[in-house]
Amino acid sequence: DTGVSQNPRHKITKRGQNVTFRCDPISEHNRLYWYRQTLGQGPEFLTYFQNEAQLEKSRLLSDRFSAERPKGSFSTLEIQRTEQGDSAMYLCASSPTPYEQYFGPGTRLTVT
Amino acid sequence: QQPVQSPQAVILREGEDAVINCSSSKALYSVHWYRQKHGEAPVFLMILLKGGEQKGHDKISASFNEKKQQSSLYLTASQLSYSGTYFCGTESGDDKIIFGKGTRLHILP
Repeated sequence: DTGVSQNPRHKITKRGQNVTFRCDPISEHNRLYWYRQTLGQGPEFLTYFQNEAQLEKSRLLSDRFSAERPKGSFSTLEIQRTEQGDSAMYLCASSPTPYEQYFGPGTRLTVT
Repeated sequence: QQPVQSPQAVILREGEDAVINCSSSKALYSVHWYRQKHGEAPVFLMILLKGGEQKGHDKISASFNEKKQQSSLYLTASQLSYSGTYFCGTESGDDKIIFGKGTRLHILP
């Protein structure tokens, strides 16, 4: 069990560019969650997968955000046409049950 | 819909006790507690389920009042390692956790 991994750990991009983040969950965890966290705030739910099915997507998430989890393994989160307001820490978590979630170290996005 | 946590911040001396409260305006199925240290990912502490079931670490205790939609986390005989930001998360039966803004806890030696 190597834990949840996320890549890259840091990403600096210019406004208007597209970015993609990857999350590798703990093996055999069928649930995978994406959150966004800004300074002084708790993690904000973005979307949730059970195996390869995307079951829930936050209404706060604009159409510029999309996530996939092909074959129920790793997941990617893409942000198109980034804006400065997208600057945040993007956290991924996985879980074998609806109970405890195991968070990855996060990807810190800075949009200049 | 975001749960409200109180207090926003607490400073304790090692060995003292603290209570962190979490309140929601929605009917809840479960309440989750996580701790996050600076620059690190949140770490699961405890989940309290409707009906009384609890899962979590032995050294952490918490309560869940289903009727009032409130939960409290009890930290007794605090240690330096308890420092960090504590988040409660509420879930209403849809597997989606909504986290509060956190309570910052600082333990002094």
